[in-house]
Amino acid sequence: AQSVSQHNHHVILSEAASLELGCNYSYGGTVNLFWYVQYPGQHLQLLLKYFSGDPLVKGIKGFEAEFIKSKFSFNLRKPSVQWSDTAEYFCAVGLYGNNRLAFGKGNQVVVIP
Amino acid sequence: DGGITQSPKYLFRKEGQNVTLSCEQNLNHDAMYWYRQDPGQGLRLIYYSQIVNDFQKGDIAEGYSVSREKKESFPLTVTSAQKNPTAFYLCASSPRQGSSGYNEQFFGPGTRLTVL
Repeated sequence: AQSVSQHNHHVILSEAASLELGCNYSYGGTVNLFWYVQYPGQHLQLLLKYFSGDPLVKGIKGFEAEFIKSKFSFNLRKPSVQWSDTAEYFCAVGLYGNNRLAFGKGNQVVVIP
Repeated sequence: DGGITQSPKYLFRKEGQNVTLSCEQNLNHDAMYWYRQDPGQGLRLIYYSQIVNDFQKGDIAEGYSVSREKKESFPLTVTSAQKNPTAFYLCASSPRQGSSGYNEQFFGPGTRLTVL
């Protein structure tokens, strides 16, 4: 079965620090890749997505992610975080031609002012 | 406003009772999903439906049931057979994938169920 791995479930950092969250998946076929974010008390919402083309994807709020096919990875980055980036972040992988998504266990990120 | 609504936001039930969670979407999406979210567990798929009158079990379907009689509605029943029903339940929808291969999902606000 397809699996999605996110490490370091809890991340605590100060404002202006850089953030990188790892995501690795096990499926070898064509995939669509997503990062979702869940701010406290809010809906799960899409941060960015990769379907094809440029492997460096830019999303909302200054986030970006890089798809490295050879490493089965889709890591999320932000150069300088703000207190408002405190949230839980989920990586998700969808199989081409299949409506299902497989989610990682999430990263709880706390940014200290 | 287009979106997904889930009601109620908080739900309390006594152990042994069945309870039904509502999910409605006005996005005209073909596919709908139910997930369970527990701390440190991510989102786990309970059931999904790609078209009206059809649905499939996800990874943790035991103790749950669904129906899909209308395109816009996908209610989830948590039965008394579910051994640990207290959780946050999320409903999602997505357009039919077609030849594009896309499968982005859109989420509702969730229902927090507490079984006492």
